Amino acid sequence: DSGVTQTPKHLITATGQRVTLRCSPRSGDLSVYWYQQSLDQGLQFLIQYYNGEERAKGNILERFSAQQFPDLHSELNLSSLELGDSALYFCASSASGTKVPGELFFGEGSRLTVL
Amino acid sequence: ELKVEQNPLFLSMQEGKNYTIYCNYSTTSDRLYWYRQDPGKSLESLFVLLSNGAVKQEGRLMASLDTKARLSTLHITAAVHDLSATYFCAVDITSGTYKYIFGTGTRLKVLA
Repeated sequence: DSGVTQTPKHLITATGQRVTLRCSPRSGDLSVYWYQQSLDQGLQFLIQYYNGEERAKGNILERFSAQQFPDLHSELNLSSLELGDSALYFCASSASGTKVPGELFFGEGSRLTVL
Repeated sequence: ELKVEQNPLFLSMQEGKNYTIYCNYSTTSDRLYWYRQDPGKSLESLFVLLSNGAVKQEGRLMASLDTKARLSTLHITAAVHDLSATYFCAVDITSGTYKYIFGTGTRLKVLA
């Protein structure tokens, strides 16, 4: 158990809909990262937050948004869903932000299926 | 654009054999991470390599880092079926913040 909690574990929805994925980082970790992993694909970096502030953006679509709240949990909002958005979405946390590097600890992921 | 490339992408090997997975990256970084992922599961941290020449070993796996060559290797010794998984390397970039870029992954299948 990495200590990173993601909900829901599975989600099935229809095209055009909107969903919210939630992530609670490890206790004490200030950084949260979101990744998308499509079937048989690698990990695509979406976005990073550090202590409530957006710090880095990757290949995140405009239909997607995220935020990190004062209690450090984070939410990834996916809207106007398309079939191609079906993927495993991972949240990861680390103690690092801008000063100290460190490994990422991954949650179990949220599997999104868009029908 | 930063690229992190792994080879091979797929590896099928017999139990008891040795093999090496390579991870090349295109930008300067002194830190590299190896992760393991079982199908449909989360990523598990295997090794953290934080300097040039770093070598870490755990069981049948050994990882090394050559920052000058921008190359890391994951060596498998006397493979067993339980090592079957996908292995990812990741590099972190310090450009005001930390962004981790993952390699393409190497899917390893160890045949009994």
